Amino acid sequence: EAQVTQNPRYLITVTGKKLTVTCSQNMNHEYMSWYRQDPGLGLRQIYYSMNVEVTDKGDVPEGYKVSRKEKRNFPLILESPSPNQTSLYFCASSPYGQNNEQFFGPGTRLTVL
Amino acid sequence: GEDVEQSLFLSVREGDSSVINCTYTDSSSTYLYWYKQEPGAGLQLLTYIFSNMDMKQDQRLTVLLNKKDKHLSLRIADTQTGDSAIYFCAESIGGGYQKVTFGIGTKLQVIP
Repeated sequence: EAQVTQNPRYLITVTGKKLTVTCSQNMNHEYMSWYRQDPGLGLRQIYYSMNVEVTDKGDVPEGYKVSRKEKRNFPLILESPSPNQTSLYFCASSPYGQNNEQFFGPGTRLTVL
Repeated sequence: GEDVEQSLFLSVREGDSSVINCTYTDSSSTYLYWYKQEPGAGLQLLTYIFSNMDMKQDQRLTVLLNKKDKHLSLRIADTQTGDSAIYFCAESIGGGYQKVTFGIGTKLQVIP
């Protein structure tokens, strides 16, 4: 089944404890992206990647890191999480061309205490 | 820069039509999209319209695009309780890979 998977789905952590949220897609898509969703603010892009070893900042990159060593994986790293990073995070992937439809993962709900 | 605006909430009765509106600022938008987010799930593409079109119809869904006013609307005919969700308007700009900017989402509540 063609899909984007994220792990974990839920995570409660404490300030300053490094964490990684994994994202994987099995559709051979070139483009991958991370968003955070907050009430009243909608979806905001954190980082995106247009292909392997190519990443770029989105609208709200502060406090986050990403890597794209393989085409299928795009992990999101929080080196020192803070409470303002409590949010719902979505990974998405998209093939080039066509209508640039993005395929979203199921989301990761992160709480930083 | 890009900005996509939509109202936060819409309530309709089952069987009525729903109209969700969106305005965008960038006149060079290439595609405009409507995504649907059901409770506890990620977003799924519902429909999209290319910027050189005025209207697109797909079963119960009608998308209208007014480029002059930079206004996009989604009409859902015969709204059902299963249509209750958050609907996001989005635009992409430019050629090649296109960055997509999302609105804040309109929560549609369908009353039985």
